[in-house]
Amino acid sequence: AQSVTQPDIHITVSEGASLELRCNYSYGATPYLFWYVQSPGQGLQLLLKYFSGDTLVQGIKGFEAEFKRSQSSFNLRKPSVHWSDAAEYFCAVALSGSARQLTFGSGTQLTVLP
Amino acid sequence: DAGVTQSPTHLIKTRGQHVTLRCSPISGHKSVSWYQQVLGQGPQFIFQYYEKEERGRGNFPDRFSARQFPNYSSELNVNALLLGDSALYLCASSFSGIGGNQPQHFGDGTRLSIL
Repeated sequence: AQSVTQPDIHITVSEGASLELRCNYSYGATPYLFWYVQSPGQGLQLLLKYFSGDTLVQGIKGFEAEFKRSQSSFNLRKPSVHWSDAAEYFCAVALSGSARQLTFGSGTQLTVLP
Repeated sequence: DAGVTQSPTHLIKTRGQHVTLRCSPISGHKSVSWYQQVLGQGPQFIFQYYEKEERGRGNFPDRFSARQFPNYSSELNVNALLLGDSALYLCASSFSGIGGNQPQHFGDGTRLSIL
């Protein structure tokens, strides 16, 4: 069965600092890969997705992620964090052809210090 | 355009009761998926429906059931509620349900509390 690991439960960064959130997946083939963000009491908002092609993908709000097949990783990055980025971030994978059946990681809570 | 809408936003039930949660997808979207998010965890896939047919089921007991209506809205039903069913239930919709790579759009969820 496929699985997703987000090794960092909680990350704290200062506003303006760079950010990298880690995501590793376990699956025999290359799945579809996603990053979602969730603010308190709200649903999930899609930041970016990878299906195929260029391994560096750009998303909304200045986020990007890089797919590394050799490491089974899909890490999320942002060069300069804003206070409004404080939220919980989820990495998710789906079997190719079943992008509507996602397996999520346990999430990384991001705190931004002024 | 309206996003995915879920009702009610909050619900309190007691053990053994039954609950129905509702979801209206984005206009034009034909696929609806349901997820359960227990506090402190990532969402877990429960069901996917497309064109009123079940297209996928996660590892949940038979107490959980769902259906999709001709207007593509959906209901999630949970019978014989347990304390462990307390969670945020998320609905997501997408245009297609078979193949393709259109991502899902999520609603804000229904917060279900079991006493």
